[in-house]
Amino acid sequence: KQEVTQIPAALSVPEGENLVLNCSFTDSAIYNLQWFRQDPGKGLTSLLLIQSSQREQTSGRLNASLDKSSGRSTLYIAASQPGDSATYLCAVKGTDKLIFGTGTRLQVFP
Amino acid sequence: DAGVIQSPRHEVTEMGQEVTLRCKPISGHDYLFWYRQTMMRGLELLIYFNNNVPIDDSGMPEDRFSAKMPNASFSTLKIQPSEPRDSAVYFCASSSSYYNSPLHFGNGTRLTVT
Repeated sequence: KQEVTQIPAALSVPEGENLVLNCSFTDSAIYNLQWFRQDPGKGLTSLLLIQSSQREQTSGRLNASLDKSSGRSTLYIAASQPGDSATYLCAVKGTDKLIFGTGTRLQVFP
Repeated sequence: DAGVIQSPRHEVTEMGQEVTLRCKPISGHDYLFWYRQTMMRGLELLIYFNNNVPIDDSGMPEDRFSAKMPNASFSTLKIQPSEPRDSAVYFCASSSSYYNSPLHFGNGTRLTVT
C-alpha cells in the first residue's frame, strides 16, 4: 500500500530564503507526482505535475524534482515571499488512487 | 474558465438530516472526484466518475453516502442520514485525464453536523 510522507510538517522562514520541501513515497511504481498548494479555507491549487519519466518540472520560482528509485520528490522555492505562506501537499498517482501526503505548513514572514 | 464550482460553501445541519453537496466541474473534464478532508485522516477519495459513470466508490464510508452525476456538468454527494462524524470539508475536483493531467479542486463545502 502506497504511503506518502512529508517532512517537515511545518516550516517558518524569513522572506527571501530559498527552501526545500520534501516528499517521500514507499512504492516506486507511479504514473506521476503532483505538488499542490492549499490556502486556509480554500481548495487545492495544482502547482506542478511530474510524469514518472521526468526528473523535474519548473514553474517560475518553483522547481520540483522526482527520484523514483529512491521514492523521493522535493519542491524548491526560490526567494520565498510572504505570499508563499500556505500548506503544500504532494500526491502520488500509482496504479490505484491519488495518494496525498499530510502536507507541510509554510509560513514566510517579512 | 470559472474553475470547479461547489455549493454551498458552508452547511450546518442537525444529526439525522439529509445533506446534499453540489459540484460543477470544469467544462471538458471527463473525470470528477469527490474528496473528504479532516485533520485526522487528511484527504480521502470517496468516489470518482469517468464520463458521468461511477468508476470507484470504494472510499464511500457507508451506505448513508451516495453520489450521482446526471450529466457532464453536475454532480451531487448526498448524506442521509447525517451524523456528527461526517463533519469535514468535502472537495470536488476534476481533470481531463486520469493519469496525465493535474487535478483541479473546488473551494470545498465545510459541513458541520451537530
